[in-house]
Amino acid sequence: DAGVTQSPTHLIKTRGQHVTLRCSPISGHKSVSWYQQVLGQGPQFIFQYYEKEERGRGNFPDRFSARQFPNYSSELNVNALLLGDSALYLCASSLFTVDTEAFFGQGTRLTVV
Amino acid sequence: ELKVEQNPLFLSMQEGKNYTIYCNYSTTSDRLYWYRQDPGKSLESLFVLLSNGAVKQEGRLMASLDTKARLSTLHITAAVHDLSATYFCAVESPYNNNDMRFGAGTRLTVKP
Repeated sequence: DAGVTQSPTHLIKTRGQHVTLRCSPISGHKSVSWYQQVLGQGPQFIFQYYEKEERGRGNFPDRFSARQFPNYSSELNVNALLLGDSALYLCASSLFTVDTEAFFGQGTRLTVV
Repeated sequence: ELKVEQNPLFLSMQEGKNYTIYCNYSTTSDRLYWYRQDPGKSLESLFVLLSNGAVKQEGRLMASLDTKARLSTLHITAAVHDLSATYFCAVESPYNNNDMRFGAGTRLTVKP
């Protein structure tokens, strides 16, 4: 079975630009969460989507948005990029039931110059 | 607000030695996770601890959970070079079970 897949794996953008990151969950998983991991730190929760609805939001500015599609894949959008947005963006999928854990994709390395 | 603290943040060990990584968290939670991350890679799930007193072991790693003390430990036995990585604990938010709060990570280096 394929795990969580993210695209692209690496991306370089200029300050002020917009970026879209994509995530395909494990087959059967309906919940997708997004995390930002700045170099040398632990991941920070950005969003969680389940059944196409936002179920949780971390402490990130409105420049960050996301959505989930009918096939449960997800996009994370970031507008007006800042240098500080440079990070590894991780997507995790789960079944969204009491006793399940989240599985992480390989991440998208975003560099803002 | 849920806070998760790990210590130590950096750990250099000799092969064959034992050591423990500690993870403290600030509010009640139903679930605690340990992950491993190699440089430039994603997170690999090591353990999921669901209840007070839970203990899980895999190879040279053993994790335990004390929910009353809000403390989890990751014990390394007879370390080998292949265990060199960054280890994170993560605690599930009591408000949203898909919002995990991560510690800052422990960067472990095992030297010959």
